[in-house]
Amino acid sequence: DTGVSQNPRHKITKRGQNVTFRCDPISEHNRLYWYRQTLGQGPEFLTYFQNEAQLEKSRLLSDRFSAERPKGSFSTLEIQRTEQGDSAMYLCASSLNLDRGASPLHFGNGTRLTVT
Amino acid sequence: DAKTTQPNSMESNEEEPVHLPCNHSTISGTDYIHWYRQLPSQGPEYVIHGLTSNVNNRMASLAIAEDRKSSTLILHRATLRDAAVYYCIPTRVGSNYKLTFGKGTLLTVNP
Repeated sequence: DTGVSQNPRHKITKRGQNVTFRCDPISEHNRLYWYRQTLGQGPEFLTYFQNEAQLEKSRLLSDRFSAERPKGSFSTLEIQRTEQGDSAMYLCASSLNLDRGASPLHFGNGTRLTVT
Repeated sequence: DAKTTQPNSMESNEEEPVHLPCNHSTISGTDYIHWYRQLPSQGPEYVIHGLTSNVNNRMASLAIAEDRKSSTLILHRATLRDAAVYYCIPTRVGSNYKLTFGKGTLLTVNP
């Protein structure tokens, strides 16, 4: 178990630029999630994949945000035309798909985005 | 989602037990109670979960009230490494993918 890996750890970009983050989940996990966390707050759910299918998107995920998981393994989260309000920690998590739904989520250490 | 109430902060001394409370009076009968913690500059980490019975694992114990409207996470001997924000999260069976985090309890451990 090598854990959930996220790259880059830090990203500084200018307003209006596009950014892309990558998440490599634990290999046997078929569920993958993206969360966003701002300072002093708990993480907020953004979106969720089961294998390659994106099954739910939060209304926090504006049309400038897009997430993909093309082969059901790694995932990317792209933000187009970044705004200063996008500055946050972006967290990825993965889990097994257990019928009773109590499978723990394993989180990566996040990508911290700063938009200047 | 069930609403939760946790103290904003708590303090403990090293090697002493810590009891972290959580009220979740609107919990549904099918909601699990999950606890996660987040150490500084890291992503959240799963601690423990339960439904009705008390649960123990290598990290902690979870005591669930008989009416399930509250629970307590118990760290038997706090260490400096246990200093973190602790989140109590009721989670519906079959939908745990959408964990709804509150602000949690910031635990400080004094040496």
